[in-house]
Amino acid sequence: KAGVTQTPRYLIKTRGQQVTLSCSPISGHRSVSWYQQTPGQGLQFLFEYFSETQRNKGNFPGRFSGRQFSNSRSEMNVSTLELGDSALYLCASSLGDNSYTFGSGTRLTVV
Amino acid sequence: AQTVTQSQPEMSVQEAETVTLSCTYDTSESDYYLFWYKQPPSRQMILVIRQEAYKQQNATENRFSVNFQKAAKSFSLKISDSQLGDAAMYFCAPPGAGSYQLTFGKGTKLSVIP
Repeated sequence: KAGVTQTPRYLIKTRGQQVTLSCSPISGHRSVSWYQQTPGQGLQFLFEYFSETQRNKGNFPGRFSGRQFSNSRSEMNVSTLELGDSALYLCASSLGDNSYTFGSGTRLTVV
Repeated sequence: AQTVTQSQPEMSVQEAETVTLSCTYDTSESDYYLFWYKQPPSRQMILVIRQEAYKQQNATENRFSVNFQKAAKSFSLKISDSQLGDAAMYFCAPPGAGSYQLTFGKGTKLSVIP
């Protein structure tokens, strides 16, 4: 069965622009979580969605937002990009059984 | 905030030998799950093993096993018969401060020497 699909795999943006990342969970999984991975801060939780509702949000500024669609696909958006937003963004999907499957991530570079 | 400490930033092991990666954490939860994930250079986080905190028995998954000490909030990973493909970053992940989230340690980079 297909795994968690994240698109695009690589992205280069300019400071001040906005970006949208996409995550398609494993079929049947209704929970999608997002994490930011940087060399300095490590892996940090961004937010989690279940059945189109955000159930939890990490400690990130309002420039970071997300949503989930009725087919469980999720998008995260970062507005007014800063150099510090350069990171690997990982998405994880779950059946809600405390088991999380991650995608390969989107590498965002802000220049 | 929940904290996770992986005290060994880097470790190495000879092929076919055994290595143990350590992890300590802090949580106010009583029933929870803990995870070890592996991240090879391909970047994908791969689940290695999962432990349910209310189970006394330590989880085992083929060559991977854990030593879970709930009272001490310690969760170490033992890799037996190490293989070249085990080389990766390993992350310990207990529950995060809120629901439906994980907290990750800084990771241990494991090298396997042929």
